[in-house]
Amino acid sequence: TQLLEQSPQFLSIQEGENLTVYCNSSSVFSSLQWYRQEPGEGPVLLVTVVTGGEVKKLKRLTFQFGDARKDSSLHITAAQPGDTGLYLCARAAGNKLTFGGGTRVLVKP
Amino acid sequence: SAVISQKPSRDICQRGTSLTIQCQVDSQVTMMFWYRQQPGQSLTLIATANQGSEATYESGFVIDKFPISRPNLTFSTLTVSNMSPEDSSIYLCSVDKEASYGYTFGSGTRLTVV
Repeated sequence: TQLLEQSPQFLSIQEGENLTVYCNSSSVFSSLQWYRQEPGEGPVLLVTVVTGGEVKKLKRLTFQFGDARKDSSLHITAAQPGDTGLYLCARAAGNKLTFGGGTRVLVKP
Repeated sequence: SAVISQKPSRDICQRGTSLTIQCQVDSQVTMMFWYRQQPGQSLTLIATANQGSEATYESGFVIDKFPISRPNLTFSTLTVSNMSPEDSSIYLCSVDKEASYGYTFGSGTRLTVV
């Protein structure tokens, strides 16, 4: 059982469309991290959200942390083929990183 | 952030054999982490490797199957022992160098057991 539930598991969209990925849990987190993993590579950190209600923007990516710090979302505006990859939310507890199930995103040109 | 070199990048192995994966970091780190990523899945922590002590294994993973060495603060190895096709996965090492950079991962070792 995943401590972090991600949805959807898979998204296939056309270039230029928007998409949102969700990360939910029944537990409260002190912080949440989002990673993107491309084929043949390890995950790369996109952002860390810490404060309930926080919104962070990274170019066309917008990250939100829920007010209760139990959920988070990643929104991509005008997706491009370079956004294709596996998106993972993760929680750091102590020194351990626990990942959600991941959302595989395919952006078709 | 830290730079991790992991090798081999991929291997095809016969069942019953063992494979040792190496992870080299460009700076000293206290903890190194080993993950498994089964086909089409997310990452699952196998164990945490500290220099000078036994590795700490997560539930479902045992030292006999996944022995780990940590001889110094920049290097670690993970061995996948007595392999079966179910061990076919990507194995990744990771470090937490600085909080602001999150965790840094190697490129992974794609293992296929036939």
